Amino acid sequence: QQQVKQSPQSLIVQKGGISIINCAYENTAFDYFPWYQQFPGKGPALLIAIRPDVSEKKEGRFTISFNKSAKQFSLHIMDSQPGDSATYFCAASPETGGSYIPTFGRGTSLIVHP
Amino acid sequence: GAVVSQHPSWVICKSGTSVKIECRSLDFQATTMFWYRQFPKQSLMLMATSNEGSKATYEQGVEKDKFLINHASLTLSTLTVTSAHPEDSSFYICSARAGQAGITEAFFGQGTRLTVV
Repeated sequence: QQQVKQSPQSLIVQKGGISIINCAYENTAFDYFPWYQQFPGKGPALLIAIRPDVSEKKEGRFTISFNKSAKQFSLHIMDSQPGDSATYFCAASPETGGSYIPTFGRGTSLIVHP
Repeated sequence: GAVVSQHPSWVICKSGTSVKIECRSLDFQATTMFWYRQFPKQSLMLMATSNEGSKATYEQGVEKDKFLINHASLTLSTLTVTSAHPEDSSFYICSARAGQAGITEAFFGQGTRLTVV
């Protein structure tokens, strides 16, 4: 059972464009939603994360939008650059209850053309 | 962010031998470490969760006798792939989480590419 659904599987964007990746979750116990960036042959790196007390969080060119009622969250990359070409994973985990085990989406391969 | 160092970054071993992968949190104490396996172009598959000083909790379908996990200190966890076979070839990644309640951020190591020949 895939508890975090991520789309699209792949995305091609022109330099300067906006990249949008969407995730939807089912488990209402999730209350921490990070996004990770992974380059080939490397481990994932935490990019930005949000908690459900806010609907949007922005860090530089990266913005997370969060819709608690719809149980959806998305990553927006503004002014996309070729260096942003990587695989992006959304994740969700409970912060309470002691589990903290993240559930990952299947990943989105982003290619930004120069 | 915090630094998690994983070593080695790649290893080639002969079938039937054992391989140990180390995961260290360099600038924080990690009460919980996670071990993942990742196949090409796929997501991370959680293998086990280990808490310092206690036995690891393995996910369903992961052989605990084959993938030995030790988390003996707050900064070091090891994964030993015993009697490795070609089907064990994969990308193994650890992540570590600090122990403070309410702090959920987990930081990942660089990953280890294991090739069994």
